[in-house]
Amino acid sequence: DAKTTQPPSMDCAEGRAANLPCNHSTISGNEYVYWYRQIHSQGPQYIIHGLKNNETNEMASLIITEDRKSSTLILPHATLRDTAVYYCIVRRSGSGNTGKLIFGQGTTLQVKP
Amino acid sequence: NAGVMQNPRHLVRRRGQEARLRCSPMKGHSHVYWYRQLPEEGLKFMVYLQKENIIDESGMPKERFSAEFPKEGPSILRIQQVVRGDSAAYFCASSLRTGTSNSPLHFGNGTRLTVT
Repeated sequence: DAKTTQPPSMDCAEGRAANLPCNHSTISGNEYVYWYRQIHSQGPQYIIHGLKNNETNEMASLIITEDRKSSTLILPHATLRDTAVYYCIVRRSGSGNTGKLIFGQGTTLQVKP
Repeated sequence: NAGVMQNPRHLVRRRGQEARLRCSPMKGHSHVYWYRQLPEEGLKFMVYLQKENIIDESGMPKERFSAEFPKEGPSILRIQQVVRGDSAAYFCASSLRTGTSNSPLHFGNGTRLTVT
């Protein structure tokens, strides 16, 4: 599976948009970009995923560049409860793949009042 | 629809005892994954199971660890003769299907194992 690179930490003011970048320059055509977050002492929480089109749900938006080598997770109005470690993961698709997620170190997002 | 249920939430074992961690996947999910998170470290894949089959155990320690997902009942992660280094949070995840990779994994809130 392709490797991802994320900044180790970021700050965001409460109520502002949080834009979390991720580089995945070696991504291949059948690999999805997934985002999870882990709030302290809880299990990872699924946020959003996409293949090549931008995606939006009730939690966030995912912007994937046209060449698919990078993406940005956007939390439109960050709250203190969004403080967490955010993981960008590239996941292979297709038959014969186990679908397991390989977690890196992620980005620790600190939302400040 | 209940999420992934793990129990117990906290488990304390003395060195040399056995630990059994249980995971009930989301309704309709037949794919289960186990992960381990050591203190202050990242999440590490351990094993992937479908009903009655171990598909990928590339992350499992070679000794003392085993996993099963029987036709009926929860998935079980079993650690025999626990040592202090086994102290960690163990997370289970389930998914509906895997082949397309368009089916997210959903995680439980983990079992925190402490070995004294």
